[in-house]
Amino acid sequence: QSALTQPASVSGSPGQSITISCTGTSSDVGGYKYVSWYQQHPGKVPKIMIYEVSNRPSGVSNRFSGSKSGNTASLTISGLQAEDEADYYCSSYTSSGTLVFGTGTKVTVL
Amino acid sequence: EAQLLESGGGLVQPGGSLRLSCAASGFTFSSFAMSWVRQAPGKGLEWVSAISGNGGATYYGDSVKGRFTISRDNSQNTLHLLLTSLRAEDTAVYYCAKGRPWFGDNYFDCWGQGTLVTVS
Repeated sequence: QSALTQPASVSGSPGQSITISCTGTSSDVGGYKYVSWYQQHPGKVPKIMIYEVSNRPSGVSNRFSGSKSGNTASLTISGLQAEDEADYYCSSYTSSGTLVFGTGTKVTVL
Repeated sequence: EAQLLESGGGLVQPGGSLRLSCAASGFTFSSFAMSWVRQAPGKGLEWVSAISGNGGATYYGDSVKGRFTISRDNSQNTLHLLLTSLRAEDTAVYYCAKGRPWFGDNYFDCWGQGTLVTVS
């Protein structure tokens, strides 16, 4: 199972909005609603930000939103803040009965 | 509050074996699928394996299938991962993660601090 494809890096200025893409196939992202997004700060444990494509766990800022179109899922961060600088990973259930993570995206706040 | 604490990592030679454990607390352990996720130094996350709440179903990533074995002891609230035929590329921090009742709904809302496995 190949990793889902994410851009290596995305950057934006404070207050701006950025979008991270996560591209898979019809056998993973495109075929299921089970797409999640995780945030990981350096040296820290991953934290779930979005689950089932667009749902936000309690306690996660509403500046984070998720969506999906075809085989590509997206995470949008609006009103970018310095604390949003981190690595972000998508993940999806697959038709093989496994899970797969994305390649990861480093978000830089300029 | 749910908590997970891994143990068992260390330095092992290629071809060797290691058993990782994850002690869970703060939630009804048997009600949730559990997963192992690893992260090689400076690299991204890789899902390794999962097990259903009652232990009756297990799932593995292609890179570890046939070499790793996941198990759980619900009476002790403990998750295990037996790593055998270890390779240099298995070097990583191994995290245990609490999922949903069904593992495919990859909502990992609690992660352990991780345990480092070094194969060299």
